[in-house]
Amino acid sequence: SQKIEQNSEALNIQEGKTATLTCNYTNYSPAYLQWYRQDPGRGPVFLLLIRENEKEKRKERLKVTFDTTLKQSLFHITASQPADSATYLCALAGGDSSYKLIFGSGTRLLVRP
Amino acid sequence: GAVVSQHPSWVICKSGTSVKIECRSLDFQATTMFWYRQFPKQSLMLMATSNEGSKATYEQGVEKDKFLINHASLTLSTLTVTSAHPEDSSFYICSAPPRGSFQETQYFGPGTRLLVL
Repeated sequence: SQKIEQNSEALNIQEGKTATLTCNYTNYSPAYLQWYRQDPGRGPVFLLLIRENEKEKRKERLKVTFDTTLKQSLFHITASQPADSATYLCALAGGDSSYKLIFGSGTRLLVRP
Repeated sequence: GAVVSQHPSWVICKSGTSVKIECRSLDFQATTMFWYRQFPKQSLMLMATSNEGSKATYEQGVEKDKFLINHASLTLSTLTVTSAHPEDSSFYICSAPPRGSFQETQYFGPGTRLLVL
């Protein structure tokens, strides 16, 4: 069955360091992959989308890589700030006309001042 | 940016009652909206796809007679939890891809927390 795995343990880093979060998937060939941020008690907020034919995408302090051979995406936040503390979700889509997304369970990031 | 609202933001009800949750796209039209459920410390689970002008499509294991979905217009979808029970207590979130180009990006509502006593 299709499976998306994100590290369930919280990632605890010092302010200013780079946070790297991992998303692995199996039995799936997504047309694109997205990363979202979710704060407690709130809906997810879209951050970045990367397509299957793209290796890397950047947006300000954020960088996403997508390796369809390894079936893995890495999400990086450089120069991390305490305000970056949140849960980060990866989501995969099949690319069909339904635009349905399958979400990973998320990784909580804690940035210490 | 595109905004999706949900109402109410939280609701407490007695077991056996029905609860309606509204999802509105405020500044764009959406022919499709998605309804998710999220239990504490778990991922978002897609429940159903709401289609404007036609029946909703439900994911496997989701009872269509219990979770009634109506997509009455291009800016409004409603989810009614019928005969709610304590196990239905959860965080319900809707999302909508904007109609037209770049529909891969979904805009999520703030969520509705349901507590069934």
